[in-house]
Amino acid sequence: AQSVTQLGSHVSVSEGALVLLRCNYSSSVPPYLFWYVQYPNQGLQLLLKYTTGATLVKGINGFEAEFKKSETSFHLTKPSAHMSDAAEYFCAVNFGNEKLTFGTGTRLTIIP
Amino acid sequence: AAGVIQSPRHLIKEKRETATLKCYPIPRHDTVYWYQQGPGQDPQFLISFYEKMQSDKGSIPDRFSAQQFSDYHSELNMSSLELGDSALYFCASSPTGGLLSLSTDTQYFGPGTRLTVL
Repeated sequence: AQSVTQLGSHVSVSEGALVLLRCNYSSSVPPYLFWYVQYPNQGLQLLLKYTTGATLVKGINGFEAEFKKSETSFHLTKPSAHMSDAAEYFCAVNFGNEKLTFGTGTRLTIIP
Repeated sequence: AAGVIQSPRHLIKEKRETATLKCYPIPRHDTVYWYQQGPGQDPQFLISFYEKMQSDKGSIPDRFSAQQFSDYHSELNMSSLELGDSALYFCASSPTGGLLSLSTDTQYFGPGTRLTVL
């Protein structure tokens, strides 16, 4: 079965600390992977995506993610958290059938 | 850069009423997607259109219908509204460049329409 799993519905990190948000998927076909961010009462903004090519992708706001096929993972990282990073983060996968399947989201809290 | 436009941004309806949500895709994007995000939930795919034809269908209730017009804007029509329909409805668009690339294009989301059913 095709699925997307985000480990940790809530993650808290101190300002300046490493941010790591986990995303794993299960797929029988090569997936196309995305991270979206949602600020309170706002829409979904694309952070980064992986379709083909280099497995380490860089996105906006200093975020990056690495596609690891052997681990079926696409974890999102940022070396140094900023207060403005506080938001809900969604991993999304296109399993080759056009629509996006979203993970359940991770709420990131930044501790001053 | 132009983004996806959705209207209205907020909508309050009574049970059993009807609602129409509109979506204007990014210029030159010919594919539109609709998603529903319930309170505290992840977005769920409802339906999509490519070149004015329905291209995929998800968990969309029979009470809902949608279409894409010749100018590529789309409307989601919701009838016999229920309390459980209260949610944030997102529209997304993508530049498919033809059917063969349909599944790989990035979807760009609008700000959403928050529907409250009382």
